[in-house]
Amino acid sequence: QSALTQPPSVSGSPGQSVTVSCTGTSSDVGGYDYVSWYQQHPGKAPKLLIYDVSERPSGVPDRFSGSKSGNTASLTISGLQAGDEADYYCYSYAGAYIHYVFGTGTKVTVL
Amino acid sequence: QVQLQESGPGLVRPSETLSLNCIVSGGSINGYYWSWSRQPPGRGLEWIGWIHYSGTTRYSPSFESRVTISADTSKNQFSLKVNSVTAADAGVYFCARYGLESQKFLDYWGRGALVTVSS
Repeated sequence: QSALTQPPSVSGSPGQSVTVSCTGTSSDVGGYDYVSWYQQHPGKAPKLLIYDVSERPSGVPDRFSGSKSGNTASLTISGLQAGDEADYYCYSYAGAYIHYVFGTGTKVTVL
Repeated sequence: QVQLQESGPGLVRPSETLSLNCIVSGGSINGYYWSWSRQPPGRGLEWIGWIHYSGTTRYSPSFESRVTISADTSKNQFSLKVNSVTAADAGVYFCARYGLESQKFLDYWGRGALVTVSS
């Protein structure tokens, strides 16, 4: 079972928007609306940003949004801030055999 | 506020068993699903498996032959055992809780336990 594919890095200037993609297959991302996104600062635990493709937990700024088209899910960060510089991971339900799979991770850099 | 704390030996010898506990405070393990994931040094997250408070478990095929997850509701904690460890099992191990809405995402995480594999 392979990890979901994410770009190794994306970057943007403060105030800009960046989008992180997460590509899987019809057996995971494309087959279920159960993609979630996590932010991880160095040496810290992951933090939930988005669940069930586009739902945002209370306390997460609305600058973070999620979507999905076919086998690719996306996380968009609007109004980029210095504190958004971190690693981001997607996570998808993958059925009754594989169960769950993480993405390869993307480092977001604020220029 | 729910808090999770991993605990266990930070150093495990090759071929031995890695054992970690996840102590849950500020809430009960009853009614929820719980998970273990790990992160090798400098690499991405890997999902290991989940346990329901009732004791039902599911594991990633990558780990199924070597891993056991168990729960102790009386102690409000759950545990991970990885058999026959090698250097490839070194890294930070995270426990986490599945959120109630769809039970398909991880809403609370522990801070992680660093495990080194060395003789």
